[in-house]
Amino acid sequence: NAGVTQTPKFQVLKTGQSMTLQCAQDMNHEYMSWYRQDPGMGLRLIHYSVGAGITDQGEVPNGYNVSRSTTEDFPLRLLSAAPSQTSVYFCASSLDHYNEQFFGPGTRLTVL
Amino acid sequence: ELKVEQNPLFLSMQEGKNYTIYCNYSTTSDRLYWYRQDPGKSLESLFVLLSNGAVKQEGRLMASLDTKARLSTLHITAAVHDLSATYFCAVPKETSGSRLTFGEGTQLTVNP
Repeated sequence: NAGVTQTPKFQVLKTGQSMTLQCAQDMNHEYMSWYRQDPGMGLRLIHYSVGAGITDQGEVPNGYNVSRSTTEDFPLRLLSAAPSQTSVYFCASSLDHYNEQFFGPGTRLTVL
Repeated sequence: ELKVEQNPLFLSMQEGKNYTIYCNYSTTSDRLYWYRQDPGKSLESLFVLLSNGAVKQEGRLMASLDTKARLSTLHITAAVHDLSATYFCAVPKETSGSRLTFGEGTQLTVNP
């Protein structure tokens, strides 16, 4: 199993550009989440999904969209990038709400 | 609103010494998770604590959960350099949900 994979590993955007961060898992996990990690703030939940076709907002959803058309994939879209979205983004998945979440390698995003 | 507080945030200790990291949270929860993150890397699951009084041990690390006190501890025994990392605790927002709130993290440095 590859586990949780994310692409790209690094990305530089200009303010106003849009892009999609890809996340996939091959563990047949129902639960998937997107977090951002900023220095001194731990990880903050952006959006999450409890199964294909079901998504909901986390604590910092503004400026981001998600969809979940398959169990495996959970892409995160930045609609119009802003410097405040410079961060490291992690995707995670878990079998159910009791088990631990498995994290992808992360995407380091810089918005100029 | 759920708040998760870790202390200390920075910990420098000598090899061979013992120490405890504390994780306090503000609302009722029956579960708590501990993760480790090495610099520039992703998060790795350490412990899943699923009930009051749960205690788990792996090598030189032992975690416990007291749901009545809303407190978890991560005890380090006879620290070695390889344990240098940032340690996060995370608590679910709802009893049957998967949305996690993370603490800020404790950056541990073990010096020879």
